[in-house]
Amino acid sequence: TQLLEQSPQFLSIQEGENLTVYCNSSSVFSSLQWYRQEPGEGPVLLVTVVTGGEVKKLKRLTFQFGDARKDSSLHITAAQPGDTGLYLCAGSVQRNTPLVFGKGTRLSVIA
Amino acid sequence: SAVISQKPSRDICQRGTSLTIQCQVDSQVTMMFWYRQQPGQSLTLIATANQGSEATYESGFVIDKFPISRPNLTFSTLTVSNMSPEDSSIYLCSVFQGVGYTFGSGTRLTVV
Repeated sequence: TQLLEQSPQFLSIQEGENLTVYCNSSSVFSSLQWYRQEPGEGPVLLVTVVTGGEVKKLKRLTFQFGDARKDSSLHITAAQPGDTGLYLCAGSVQRNTPLVFGKGTRLSVIA
Repeated sequence: SAVISQKPSRDICQRGTSLTIQCQVDSQVTMMFWYRQQPGQSLTLIATANQGSEATYESGFVIDKFPISRPNLTFSTLTVSNMSPEDSSIYLCSVFQGVGYTFGSGTRLTVV
């Protein structure tokens, strides 16, 4: 069974601070996705990383896939209250197989 | 990427009753995945639905409780049967297409 350990589970920071969320596994994933979920809605895809060592940037968000494709990180620079939400990492061992989800990181950015 | 229409978006149901959730995809997909998200938790896979065959259920989920239909390549239903308050969750369907996975907007179920 593939497991994704996501940390931290809860994070409360002040506006303007930086933060990093981690996802780690002993399994190798063919791809890893990061989602953001607002209350009452389904997860919305932020990024997919597929190549070991890959780095992708989405405005103030930087995503990295580990060289061995077993871990990933999400770094947010200068967090804003609009970044508040649940962030989920999810991995798939092959295309078109179910995603395995981490437990999620509930981020609160205080103005 | 695929667009999924999921209904209903929310419902409040009496214990002992059943609710059927529908997911309609705007394109043909081989697999559809059903997840449950309990309050404050992450997503847990219930089952994988492949058109033309019985769904494959994960440990802890059984067909009698969560029957799934997959009549064609664009549609699937999940029924939550004989509901109890512990079934109160968000239920989501998902598909893989192209390079990524898309989710429905979810069904927020409250059992009273």
